[in-house]
Amino acid sequence: TQLLEQSPQFLSIQEGENLTVYCNSSSVFSSLQWYRQEPGEGPVLLVTVVTGGEVKKLKRLTFQFGDARKDSSLHITAAQPGDTGLYLCAARKTGTASKLTFGTGTRLQVTL
Amino acid sequence: ETGVTQTPRHLVMGMTNKKSLKCEQHLGHNAMYWYKQSAKKPLELMFVYNFKEQTENNSVPSRFSPECPNSSHLFLHLHTLQPEDSALYLCASSQGGGTGRSILFGQGTRLTVV
Repeated sequence: TQLLEQSPQFLSIQEGENLTVYCNSSSVFSSLQWYRQEPGEGPVLLVTVVTGGEVKKLKRLTFQFGDARKDSSLHITAAQPGDTGLYLCAARKTGTASKLTFGTGTRLQVTL
Repeated sequence: ETGVTQTPRHLVMGMTNKKSLKCEQHLGHNAMYWYKQSAKKPLELMFVYNFKEQTENNSVPSRFSPECPNSSHLFLHLHTLQPEDSALYLCASSQGGGTGRSILFGQGTRLTVV
């Protein structure tokens, strides 16, 4: 059973377009993180959200944690080729301080 | 560069070989991790060490043997691997405490078993 489902799995868009990536689960999480991974590299942390309904912005990226702390979204405005990569959500369930479970990933390609 | 360094970056080994992956961090983190990333599968946690003590083994086959001599270094010893063990092996570290604790990853070792 996959704990964290991401959608879409693949996304190919042109520069300047907007997009939203989703991370869904039936479990409640104490915290959720988003990472971006480029080919041949390890994942790099983008943001951590811990409060239900929390919204965080990182330049053109907007992250939202669901009110019930079961899901999250990542919205990119005016995508650029530098946004290309694998986007991973990861979350900890309440009471499991060390185990971070990763989602299935969304591979994004932004072309000129 | 996140401060977590893995060597080698690429490794090709035969099924009868013995090799080791190395990870080090000088960030003062007290927790270190090994993850496996295979194509079309989510990142899988393999092992967790807190203050040099193994606190989690996620049902990993014995052909993978971790070693944590101190809080700054982590090894993954490999022997008699199978082709399906080919993957990107990622080391990570974190500072203990708090549910919002973030994990920093190394660049990974791309392992190919032939």
